[in-house]
Amino acid sequence: DTGVSQNPRHKITKRGQNVTFRCDPISEHNRLYWYRQTLGQGPEFLTYFQNEAQLEKSRLLSDRFSAERPKGSFSTLEIQRTEQGDSAMYLCASSMDSSNTEAFFGQGTRLTVV
Amino acid sequence: GIQVEQSPPDLILQEGANSTLRCNFSDSVNNLQWFHQNPWGQLINLFYIPSGTKQNGRLSATTVATERYSLLYISSSQTTDSGVYFCAVEGLTGGGNKLTFGTGTQLKVEL
Repeated sequence: DTGVSQNPRHKITKRGQNVTFRCDPISEHNRLYWYRQTLGQGPEFLTYFQNEAQLEKSRLLSDRFSAERPKGSFSTLEIQRTEQGDSAMYLCASSMDSSNTEAFFGQGTRLTVV
Repeated sequence: GIQVEQSPPDLILQEGANSTLRCNFSDSVNNLQWFHQNPWGQLINLFYIPSGTKQNGRLSATTVATERYSLLYISSSQTTDSGVYFCAVEGLTGGGNKLTFGTGTQLKVEL
């Protein structure tokens, strides 16, 4: 078990460009979550997948954001037309779908929009 | 949605001291986790503790679900304990399927 893996670890992009992040969850976990963390704050929920179905989206997830989880395995989070306010740490987590829903987080992707 | 408050917001300790971090939450929970965020930003799982008491080395945690709080105890603190400690909860109703985080306790352990 290699844990939750996120790529890239760091991304610097110019305002207006599109970026895509990838998350590979723990293999037996069918729940996958995306969170965003800004400086000095706790992580905030963005969206949640159970297998390939996206079941919940936060109001934080504007129409410039889209997430997918094809075949219920890895997930991608795309941000279109990036803005400086999108600069943050993007965290992915996964958990089992059972009575024990302990979530495990990846190392995160730190996005800087210049 | 469910509200999570952590105290204290900041804590400075001398190496070897003990400390207690508190997490209050506003509704019944299905899941409560304590994390340590390292300087590189990764969230390290400390405890999955929706109720009861657990211990792992110098760390222990207690959740009193009926009174809606959890405590994290750190004994004989070391400089490597420095960082931000987060409490996160998954509400039982109207907020399930995701963790809501508190704002964290920033701990600094000095020699």
